[in-house]
This record gives sequence, C-alpha cells and structure tokens, in this order.
Amino acid sequence: QVTLKESGPVLVNPTETLTLTCTVSGFSLSNAKMGVSWIRQPPGKALEWLAYIFSNDEKSYSTSLRSRLTISKDTSKSQVVLTMTDMDPVDTGTYYCARIEEYYDSSGYYYWFDPWGQGTLVTVSS
Amino acid sequence: SYELTQPPSVSVSPGQTARITCSGDALPNQFAYWFQQKPGQAPILVIYKDTERPSGIPERFSGSSSGPTVTLTISEVRAEDEADYYCQSAGSSATWVFGGGTKLTVL
Repeated sequence: QVTLKESGPVLVNPTETLTLTCTVSGFSLSNAKMGVSWIRQPPGKALEWLAYIFSNDEKSYSTSLRSRLTISKDTSKSQVVLTMTDMDPVDTGTYYCARIEEYYDSSGYYYWFDPWGQGTLVTVSS
Repeated sequence: SYELTQPPSVSVSPGQTARITCSGDALPNQFAYWFQQKPGQAPILVIYKDTERPSGIPERFSGSSSGPTVTLTISEVRAEDEADYYCQSAGSSATWVFGGGTKLTVL
C-alpha cells in the first residue's frame, strides 16, 4: 500500500523558513518515472501546485514561488523535503505531498498525482 | 501566467447529471485531470488523461474534451458526490496548474 505523510511545524513566524518533510512508503524514490509533488491549499481556497522532484532528480517549481522554494530528496530515508523561505501570513494553509507517476502511450505523456498525503496545516503568525 | 477557469458552483438534484467545465488555452494540447475533495480530506484522482477513470472510481464519473474546454460529468448524482472538484493540467516549462475549484451541491 502506497502512503505519504507530511510533517513539519504547525506554527511559523513571519520571515522564517518553513521546512516540510514528506515520508513515503510502499514505493521507492528511486523508482523510474516516479516522483513527489507538493501542493498547498489556503483555508477555504483552491489548490496551488508548488514543486515536484522525480527519481532522476528532475525538479520544477511554481513560477510565482520559484525564488522561495527548494525541493530535495533523501532516497535512503524515503523522504522528500520542501523548504520555503520568507514565510508570510498569506502562506498559511494545508500543505500536501502526492506521488507522481509518469506514463507514456500512443497519445503521449501523462501523469498521475495519486495518492496524496493527509496534509499538514501550517499557520504563519507572530 | 497560465490559468484554468472553473465555475465556482454547480447544483443538481439527486439522480440528475452534473457537468463541471474547465477552460484553458493550453487544454487542446495538454491532458486534463480531475480531483474530488471532500471537507477535511485530501483530494483523490477521479479522471486522468481527459477521459480515463482510475480503478475504483464509479462509472458515473466521466470526462470529455472539446478544444479549450474539458468537462467532468457525474451521472445519477448521489448525496455522497457532494464535494469540491478541481481540474489540473500542465502549464508552461514543466509546471502544473489547478483550476479554482467547483463546489458541487446536491440539493
């Protein structure tokens, strides 16, 4: 059974750096065509994609948040870490990690963002 | 920046058909994905590659695509289908984007 679990601080002060960890089980971060993505959701608002990292260490970041985000992985620990600098109250929300699988067939490349972790609520406040 | 546009809300009676649209300039060239999110829960994938349904998702859920618009159709809507639904697609330069979400209310 594939599971992902997010962990990190519940409360962060403004201007501080947030570090979140996604611990996966049921698959390896070295599996070809697999990766992990981070997505966040402010209270009562829509999902926002943040970043991903694949097993070959390919990474990508949200255009609007690129300067503040860093994603990395520790395959031996089955963990993916996301750091976000200069936190602000508008960054308050639930942060999710999800497994990504890449597929290819005659119609081209397609992806699965599935399953997702339960999410972790981060509040930015002094 | 690239955006996906969804109606904020859709309401249907039990047994009726719900249709939720998602529009974006890149959708003719990129696959769309749909997620269902119930209150307090993580999203789950209900449609991938525009029209495909993962195993375990009821046949009542289907997807279609026409030009810049994709549609999630839920037939014979049940009370348990009440949730927020999000479309997703690839953006530019290996990025991803979600739509603003649609709240499905079962009257």
